[in-house]
Amino acid sequence: AQTVTQSQPEMSVQEAETVTLSCTYDTSENNYYLFWYKQPPSRQMILVIRQEAYKQQNATENRFSVNFQKAAKSFSLKISDSQLGDTAMYFCAFMNQAAGNKLTFGGGTRVLVKP
Amino acid sequence: DSGVTQTPKHLITATGQRVTLRCSPRSGDLSVYWYQQSLDQGLQFLIQYYNGEERAKGNILERFSAQQFPDLHSELNLSSLELGDSALYFCASSVDGRSTDTQYFGPGTRLTVL
Repeated sequence: AQTVTQSQPEMSVQEAETVTLSCTYDTSENNYYLFWYKQPPSRQMILVIRQEAYKQQNATENRFSVNFQKAAKSFSLKISDSQLGDTAMYFCAFMNQAAGNKLTFGGGTRVLVKP
Repeated sequence: DSGVTQTPKHLITATGQRVTLRCSPRSGDLSVYWYQQSLDQGLQFLIQYYNGEERAKGNILERFSAQQFPDLHSELNLSSLELGDSALYFCASSVDGRSTDTQYFGPGTRLTVL
């Protein structure tokens, strides 16, 4: 079974600075997809970024970028120029066809952006 | 706004009761997923439907059931409710339920069992 681990329960960062969230996963599959979702205090789950395992190039989405290390099974999220609106829980998630196309989530990292 | 709608937003009920949570997927999406978010279990996949048929099942209790209707909306039925069923229930949808899809989440239904 696939597992996703987020080792940092909570992180804080000053506004305009950079923070990196860690995520590791365990799978024996070669084809899969990785995601970061953001859950602000409103509790809505918002897609931040997506990475296909077959792509070597790291995904970027404005101020959000990932460092995907397939051999190490690591998928970290970097938030640059942090804004107050980035304060939220961030969940790393894994999906592949062998697991039935469901999302398997990590335990989450709470990010607090301080003014 | 993801385009996925869920009703009701909040639900408060008593132990032993039965409730129905409703989800409408994004326009054009054929697949619906249900997830449960609780303090002790985190975010867990419950069940997936594609075009009216069950496609995958996760850690869904026997007291829980779901279905997807011809208009593609889905309902999650929770019966014989226990205190531990209190959680945030999310519905997500995707185009055709394949692993290449991205799942978009609704705002969730917060269930409180007293």
